[in-house]
Amino acid sequence: EDKVVQSPLSLVVHEGDTVTLNCSYEVTNFRSLLWYKQEKKAPTFLFMLTSSGIEKKSGRLSSILDKKELSSILNITATQTGDSAIYLCAVTTYSGAGSYQLTFGKGTKLSVIP
Amino acid sequence: DTEVTQTPKHLVMGMTNKKSLKCEQHMGHRAMYWYKQKAKKPPELMFVYSYEKLSINESVPSRFSPECPNSSLLNLHLHALQPEDSALYLCASSQVYTPYGYTFGSGTRLTVV
Repeated sequence: EDKVVQSPLSLVVHEGDTVTLNCSYEVTNFRSLLWYKQEKKAPTFLFMLTSSGIEKKSGRLSSILDKKELSSILNITATQTGDSAIYLCAVTTYSGAGSYQLTFGKGTKLSVIP
Repeated sequence: DTEVTQTPKHLVMGMTNKKSLKCEQHMGHRAMYWYKQKAKKPPELMFVYSYEKLSINESVPSRFSPECPNSSLLNLHLHALQPEDSALYLCASSQVYTPYGYTFGSGTRLTVV
């Protein structure tokens, strides 16, 4: 059975801190790893990492895929209260007939206090 | 158009009602998906359609009935639901034979009373 594990499950930091969120996976037919941010609605896409694109950066957020360790980290520098959300890691696996399914971790709930 | 549009955004239904959720995309994606997300849990896959044919049903109860009438549209028909079926229902679409372009809709928040 495919498994995605995120840690920590929750995290409280002060504004301006840097945080690192972890995701490890154990799946068959791995194709990519995705990070999402979720507030009170549908998940918002952040990054996609694949075997050919193992590092991504956008503003204060960055992510790295470690293919050897089957894991990924999401870094957020200079955190702001608007970063408070649940961060979901998902792994894409091939599910046949050209389609792909996402298996999600349980998420890390990040709370940034002023 | 790079969006997946879901309607309605919110739905309240009784346990004896029949309702449908609708999902539409015009990105030319030939794979479409339904996910269910219960409160404080991650999304879980329900159904996968590829080229308008059902390819995966994750042991979903028959009170949920998916339908893919054409390559742009995906429906989820609901009948005799239970209060525990209350959740955020997410539709997604993707290109086929490549993991790129996986796109979620904004979801339908369903409450069963």
